[in-house]
Amino acid sequence: QKEVEQDPGPLSVPEGAIVSLNCTYSNSAFQYFMWYRQYSRKGPELLMYTYSSGNKEDGRFTAQVDKSSKYISLFIRDSQPSDSATYLCAMSERSGGGADGLTFGKGTHLIIQP
Amino acid sequence: EAEVAQSPRYKITEKSQAVAFWCDPISGHATLYWYRQILGQGPELLVQFQDESVVDDSQLPKDRFSAERLKGVDSTLKIQPAELGDSAMYLCASSFSAGTGQYFGPGTRLTVT
Repeated sequence: QKEVEQDPGPLSVPEGAIVSLNCTYSNSAFQYFMWYRQYSRKGPELLMYTYSSGNKEDGRFTAQVDKSSKYISLFIRDSQPSDSATYLCAMSERSGGGADGLTFGKGTHLIIQP
Repeated sequence: EAEVAQSPRYKITEKSQAVAFWCDPISGHATLYWYRQILGQGPELLVQFQDESVVDDSQLPKDRFSAERLKGVDSTLKIQPAELGDSAMYLCASSFSAGTGQYFGPGTRLTVT
């Protein structure tokens, strides 16, 4: 079992729909949680960054973290064709030595149909 | 908007040759990371620097990979000799400090023939 599980999709939804993307994880030491968007053959782009449990909203994006369930979500409201991309969840511990390399899910391929 | 710079963007090399990648982080970012991403997978950490010091290189295949950040700014990742299984996207990321958001560059796509 991988440390971070993410459904690879593809997930196809009509334009304007609310999109829900999710990841589960097994390492209870993870403290920092991030969501990245990656277009084909490009580097990942940081969308959301959260620390510990709770919700965070930024424009059309809302990130949720439930540490008790080891479950994180990203919601996209009013989805647009330009949102079509691969969405990667990522998380990290914070060791005493400062090591905080990210552990990523495989990514979910999202398609927004016009 | 400040960005992480990487070069080259694409590299094709033959098996057993040496190859090097360069990264210039966002100005003022003390922490620098190298990741490798195989097609269809998420990135995997190779090495993390804090300023010029290595913080974590536990996943770096040290028999063939080396990384340095001599002056605590830009960094070089080297592979010698390259193997077919090294074909992947090599991504550099930087953050203001450990525990803050990591920002990625465009990556170097390596093909080993």
